[in-house]
Amino acid sequence: EIVLTQSPAFQSVTPKERVTITCRASQSIGSSLHWYQQKPDQSPKLLIKYASQSISGVPSRFSGSGSGTDFTLTINSLEAEDAAAYYCHQSSSLPYTFGQGTKLEI
Amino acid sequence: EVQLVESGGGLVQPGGSLRLSCAASGFTFSRHSMNWVRQAPGKGLEWVSYISSSSDSKYYADSVKGRFTISRDNAKNSLYLQMNSLRDEDTAVYYCARRENSGYEFDYWGQGTLVTVSS
Repeated sequence: EIVLTQSPAFQSVTPKERVTITCRASQSIGSSLHWYQQKPDQSPKLLIKYASQSISGVPSRFSGSGSGTDFTLTINSLEAEDAAAYYCHQSSSLPYTFGQGTKLEI
Repeated sequence: EVQLVESGGGLVQPGGSLRLSCAASGFTFSRHSMNWVRQAPGKGLEWVSYISSSSDSKYYADSVKGRFTISRDNAKNSLYLQMNSLRDEDTAVYYCARRENSGYEFDYWGQGTLVTVSS
């Protein structure tokens, strides 16, 4: 099973700040890494697919990078509505796995 | 508009059974693989099970293998999860999630249904 380790687990941030969340895989997964946002009492929403591919309707301040074992989700000029938990997810091999999540408090 | 609506959750005693349903609309259900993902209270996401578009491939997390069964009815645009021998640790919100046609990301999620296993 591929283990995904996210950091940090929690971060307190201020509006307009630039935020970086990292996700490290226990073995190489190429670019089969996706990012989701989950706001309180809502279901997860796809933010970035295949490490860096943007999703229609997602604000351009969200971007992703990385390949192999190290990945990054960057949020530029953070807005209050970005308060949420963020999860990485690997689809390289079954069982699919998720990172433990990063909670952003604004 | 793509919609996934789960139902069937509730309170069940340890050792009991429950069947979850996910009603799909707004897209051609028979062309998409589907998944169940769960989230224990205050915890992160855990993938539970996968089924291919034609039901010829099914996979399960080790934590539910032998107890849960995934199925689908393409004629009814519905996905199911039969859960038997339920344990306290199965308590969670269960989401159905669509896998994108040309990729492996989960592009749409339902709102979830809460399963509580407790005596």
